[in-house]
Amino acid sequence: GAVVSQHPSWVICKSGTSVKIECRSLDFQATTMFWYRQFPKQSLMLMATSNEGSKATYEQGVEKDKFLINHASLTLSTLTVTSAHPEDSSFYICSAHTRNNSPLHFGNGTRLTVT
Amino acid sequence: DQQVKQNSPSLSVQEGRISILNCDYTNSMFDYFLWYKKYPAEGPTFLISISSIKDKNEDGRFTVFLNKSAKHLSLHIVPSQPGDSAVYFCAAMWGTSYGKLTFGQGTILTVHP
Repeated sequence: GAVVSQHPSWVICKSGTSVKIECRSLDFQATTMFWYRQFPKQSLMLMATSNEGSKATYEQGVEKDKFLINHASLTLSTLTVTSAHPEDSSFYICSAHTRNNSPLHFGNGTRLTVT
Repeated sequence: DQQVKQNSPSLSVQEGRISILNCDYTNSMFDYFLWYKKYPAEGPTFLISISSIKDKNEDGRFTVFLNKSAKHLSLHIVPSQPGDSAVYFCAAMWGTSYGKLTFGQGTILTVHP
């Protein structure tokens, strides 16, 4: 079945540094990928839609300059958390689907801790 | 504004019995609903989905029921197994924004042997 791989699975960084998270579709091409965030004991919240070859679209309240998304190929989207702060510590998850009307498949997530 | 709500934070069930997880939504634009299972520090795993044109969808031990007039859906797991213990999220989307899911808060299911 469709597999989405996310890397790294966890990362610890110092406040003020930037962190890049990769999301790959392993056995299918994904023109669209999605980035979600989950704070402890809360639901998953959509952050942005990553579109191959064009700019990402961000949900209301998500800072596009802080969360840089690049979808350079049909199998890779990256999320860069710039100038990270402790409040950015969260669980970041990407997802993709093979085509419309097929279920979204999620990566295993990245636990980001900013110290 | 929580458009998808799972009002039961947790559910405890005996092995072999039925687990019923509930979900309510407020946005009548939603036309596709999904259930995901999630373990800590992992991404959600797709379980089953249902389109708004149906009222029931079955896949093995999992059945999802949709009551559009009540804006309510439920996931039935029969028989429940200890390995089903996890957090279950319902999610919704509408056709023109395919892939953009709105999730409920999740329900922690514990199946006791």
